Amino acid sequence: QSVLTQPPSVSGAPGQKVTISCGGSRFNIGADYDVHWYQVRPGTAPKLLIYGFHNRPAGVPDRFSGSKSGTSASLAITGLKAEDEADYYCQAYDSRLSANWVFGGGTKLTVL
Amino acid sequence: QVHLVQSGAEVREPGASVRVSCKGSGFTFIDFYIHWVRHAPGQGLEWMGRINPSSGGTKTAQKFQGRVTVTRDTSTSTAYVEVSSLKSDDTAVYYCVRAKEIWLLESQGSFDYWGQGTLVTVS
Repeated sequence: QSVLTQPPSVSGAPGQKVTISCGGSRFNIGADYDVHWYQVRPGTAPKLLIYGFHNRPAGVPDRFSGSKSGTSASLAITGLKAEDEADYYCQAYDSRLSANWVFGGGTKLTVL
Repeated sequence: QVHLVQSGAEVREPGASVRVSCKGSGFTFIDFYIHWVRHAPGQGLEWMGRINPSSGGTKTAQKFQGRVTVTRDTSTSTAYVEVSSLKSDDTAVYYCVRAKEIWLLESQGSFDYWGQGTLVTVS
């Protein structure tokens, strides 16, 4: 069971907006540790999508945006494209000793 | 341009050990934390450990303590992860990842650059 909680799957039609949630606790997101998001396509290495809750690395379209509220974070994707179909993971630092850097369980995005 | 190039796929029997290498280029190797993350089939991403290449200091996820060792060779800008007492559920793709500069607050850093991954099969 992952420390950060994500829905297993979300879906949307091309052009629509989807949101992926990432639930945490007072030991990670609620402790003001930054949340980062990664996109994983089958057979390829993860790619940094959003860092520090809402910042995009160079080359990431502004259709991708991130936010935080309390002990949760969210990734929003607007204007869905077929190429967005992938797995998405949130990640943060956790102050407990068992694992310092933690990931969500991942969310499979299906573009209908 | 930042590159992390990992060693090739490995097959091991249960109980054996495996060492995966990760050679960095395009940046000053000793200035950036290197982490190891694995992705098992049908599972999520899992953080294993990290090294400060300058000091050699490491942190390891509690789950892997005693079984996973992270090291580096600064002369070749290469990081290593060794996993011992392999079990079938250690079958996964292992990634090395470059994070933030060692003088920044590492708890806030993201995993910026990823190696191509190394498939380790335990069978």
